[in-house]
Amino acid sequence: AQSVTQLGSHVSVSEGALVLLRCNYSSSVPPYLFWYVQYPNQGLQLLLKYTSAATLVKGINGFEAEFKKSETSFHLTKPSAHMSDAAEYFCAVSSFSGYALNFGKGTSLLVTP
Amino acid sequence: KAGVTQTPRYLIKTRGQQVTLSCSPISGHRSVSWYQQTPGQGLQFLFEYFSETQRNKGNFPGRFSGRQFSNSRSEMNVSTLELGDSALYLCASSPGQGDYGYTFGSGTRLTVV
Repeated sequence: AQSVTQLGSHVSVSEGALVLLRCNYSSSVPPYLFWYVQYPNQGLQLLLKYTSAATLVKGINGFEAEFKKSETSFHLTKPSAHMSDAAEYFCAVSSFSGYALNFGKGTSLLVTP
Repeated sequence: KAGVTQTPRYLIKTRGQQVTLSCSPISGHRSVSWYQQTPGQGLQFLFEYFSETQRNKGNFPGRFSGRQFSNSRSEMNVSTLELGDSALYLCASSPGQGDYGYTFGSGTRLTVV
């Protein structure tokens, strides 16, 4: 079954520093991969998705992720953190059919002044 | 265009009661999925509907059920509520074919007392 593992349940960065959130996937078939963000008391917002086109995927709010098959990774990065980036981030993988998403446990990003 | 709308936003129920949650997808979206989010278990897939047919179901007891109407609106029902059913229930919609990016609603916060 397809699954993802997010390394680090909490990540803290300074404002202006690089954001790196790690996600590794396990999939027996070419996966579709996603990053979502969740702000307090809200639903999930799609940041970006990989669906086997370009391996470097650009998303909203300056985020991007690179699909690395050799490392089974799909890490999320942003060159310069803003205070407004503080939120919970979820990596997810879907089956080829796309009928369901399997989410990681989430990473809480704290941005300090 | 309007996003995914979930009603109600908050709900308090007593153990043993049943509850129905509603989800209106983005106009034109034919796929609706439901997820349960709890601090302990994270985000877990409940079921997915496309054109009134359930295409996929997660590992939840039969007390959890759903349906989709011809206008793509969906409801989920939980019967004989247990304390452990307290959670944020999220609905997501997508076009359903060829596009695997789900748009989530803000969720319904269910508290069982």
